[in-house]
Amino acid sequence: DADVTQTPRNRITKTGKRIMLECSQTKGHDRMYWYRQDPGLGLRLIYYSFDVKDINKGEISDGYSVSRQAQAKFSLSLESAIPNQTALYFCATSDVRAPNQPQHFGDGTRLSIL
Amino acid sequence: GQQLNQSPQSMFIQEGEDVSMNCTSSSIFNTWLWYKQDPGEGPVLLIALYKAGELTSNGRLTAQFGITRKDSFLNISASIPSDVGIYFCAGQYAGGTSYGKLTFGQGTILTVHP
Repeated sequence: DADVTQTPRNRITKTGKRIMLECSQTKGHDRMYWYRQDPGLGLRLIYYSFDVKDINKGEISDGYSVSRQAQAKFSLSLESAIPNQTALYFCATSDVRAPNQPQHFGDGTRLSIL
Repeated sequence: GQQLNQSPQSMFIQEGEDVSMNCTSSSIFNTWLWYKQDPGEGPVLLIALYKAGELTSNGRLTAQFGITRKDSFLNISASIPSDVGIYFCAGQYAGGTSYGKLTFGQGTILTVHP
């Protein structure tokens, strides 16, 4: 979905490095989410934000932090990357005004930690 | 926390065959969603179900929201090669601190042989 843009699309880095993944959206949605996808585990929620001043931990927030810089931007940081954070990361958005708020996903960032 | 079990984990079928996959939960949901993920892309919403017992179709896809609110299935009829991908179920509970959050199944990897 081109309305939800993630950068970079791929990143390879070393253990201990600080990494920032960025997400921007043109859908005008107020809610944004970060997930990680691992084979056989589906998508697991890292952090979510229901508006600019609202940040909430998901089920696997340890080792991650987020920043909601504006309604359209939500970034995910790994302060000191470790190999088990190698995964596919997705940003998603939803609209509080939509029926039961289906989430719309970006195309993902493939992150490899060596 | 809420758990979703999706089965089967993978399927290898011939073009033209019908496909069925399902999800069961340890908790009730108010909404069931089915997403498809193509290689290199984010999940795309296929079908959304909002009421227990609801049966909804989208072309060759049919999905049902179980009466107990703890399960859902997705059927694909007359499969074609472009049906290849990973299919995810997701449940949403519209109450308390879980409001707006999705819980995903582990995914079903579908391979269609021409």
